[in-house]
Amino acid sequence: GENVEQHPSTLSVQEGDSAVIKCTYSDSASNYFPWYKQELGKGPQLIIDIRSNVGEKKDQRIAVTLNKTAKHFSLHITETQPEDSAVYFCAAKAGNMLTFGGGTRLMVKP
Amino acid sequence: ETGVTQTPRHLVMGMTNKKSLKCEQHLGHNAMYWYKQSAKKPLELMFVYSLEERVENNSVPSRFSPECPNSSHLFLHLHTLQPEDSALYLCASSQEFPGGTSGGMNYEQYFGPGTRLTVT
Repeated sequence: GENVEQHPSTLSVQEGDSAVIKCTYSDSASNYFPWYKQELGKGPQLIIDIRSNVGEKKDQRIAVTLNKTAKHFSLHITETQPEDSAVYFCAAKAGNMLTFGGGTRLMVKP
Repeated sequence: ETGVTQTPRHLVMGMTNKKSLKCEQHLGHNAMYWYKQSAKKPLELMFVYSLEERVENNSVPSRFSPECPNSSHLFLHLHTLQPEDSALYLCASSQEFPGGTSGGMNYEQYFGPGTRLTVT
């Protein structure tokens, strides 16, 4: 089955700096890659996703890149703000199921 | 709010109790999911229902029993649980199930806030 590795597990940045979270996947048939943000006491919230026919997608301060050859995808957050502090999860869809990465705890220091 | 609600938000139960978790989605979606989220482990898919039919059972012990009476509601019935079953149980829904016959691609999943379960 699919295996998704996510790095780093924790990330601390200064407000205003950029943050990058990386994921690798094992199944070359994976074709959909969402990113979720989970704040304390809440469920994961979909923030951006990308499909395998696209190499990059951007939504305001958030962007995701996909390298199908290398089987990795990344989340980029620019101009980080304290409210960006949360746990971020990547996922990959191979077949019918989503497989999630282990999560990255992002801390943005004011 | 994501349009997916879960009750209760917190539950403490003994190993001999029987309880149920409830999920309701107000999005008109056709697929619903149960996930288990434990500390320091990735989200684990438990069950998937598409159009009220169970399409996936991800090797979940029989002490967890799902029920989907209609496309808006999903239950997880719990009985004789173990302390290691303590976790956050998340419900999610999507417009379509990726393996469905419609061939559509609207399978973005939207999660509820979860039920924090503690088994004593």
